[in-house]
Amino acid sequence: GAGVSQSPSNKVTEKGKDVELRCDPISGHTALYWYRQSLGQGLEFLIYFQGNSAPDKSGLPSDRFSAERTGGSVSTLTIQRTQQEDSAVYLCASSFRRTDPGLNQPQHFGDGTRLSIL
Amino acid sequence: SQQGEEDPQALSIQEGENATMNCSYKTSINNLQWYRQNSGRGLVHLILIRSNEREKHSGRLRVTLDTSKKSSSLLITASRAADTASYFCATDASFNKFYFGSGTKLNVKP
Repeated sequence: GAGVSQSPSNKVTEKGKDVELRCDPISGHTALYWYRQSLGQGLEFLIYFQGNSAPDKSGLPSDRFSAERTGGSVSTLTIQRTQQEDSAVYLCASSFRRTDPGLNQPQHFGDGTRLSIL
Repeated sequence: SQQGEEDPQALSIQEGENATMNCSYKTSINNLQWYRQNSGRGLVHLILIRSNEREKHSGRLRVTLDTSKKSSSLLITASRAADTASYFCATDASFNKFYFGSGTKLNVKP
């Protein structure tokens, strides 16, 4: 399909382990976002990539969280030394680059990775 | 918080009725978007309204924006059971970041 693809769809791991979550954006989309959604809650912004520019990491909750985007396409979100409070759905979205401040591009979301920390 | 906040948190209606959801935000915006999320899925973009627009339509959806009150509403007319989902508004207070509210959970009973 041509949509945003995230893997794995579910991940269960023990507290203290590291996890890697992957996002394949829509081809041609230069903007990529990671969000965290706790049960029944809204989306919490984590990080934003735009082309080759330095990412906006201001939403990352701690230094245990990091993300990279290789070749301007696939992105990986890494959580080190996981804690139980990291349990949530991690959503990735991509969009075309916004060139007009008055006109955001719609974000296209993957179905997320449901992360459970035991 | 600069997040948009939806109201009500939950709404249950009969098929065929109209559903109205509201969104309030705190800072000035360039535009506002509404998204829909089915259970266990990602968000799907529904409609975008610019700050200089007051009303926008898309099929059975009608969105209004009142920048003086910092609020927006989403109206779904003639609702269907398939409209059952959570609905979120998203605002942009800076170039890169979007703020999503906690959503309105809509249940349309057949």
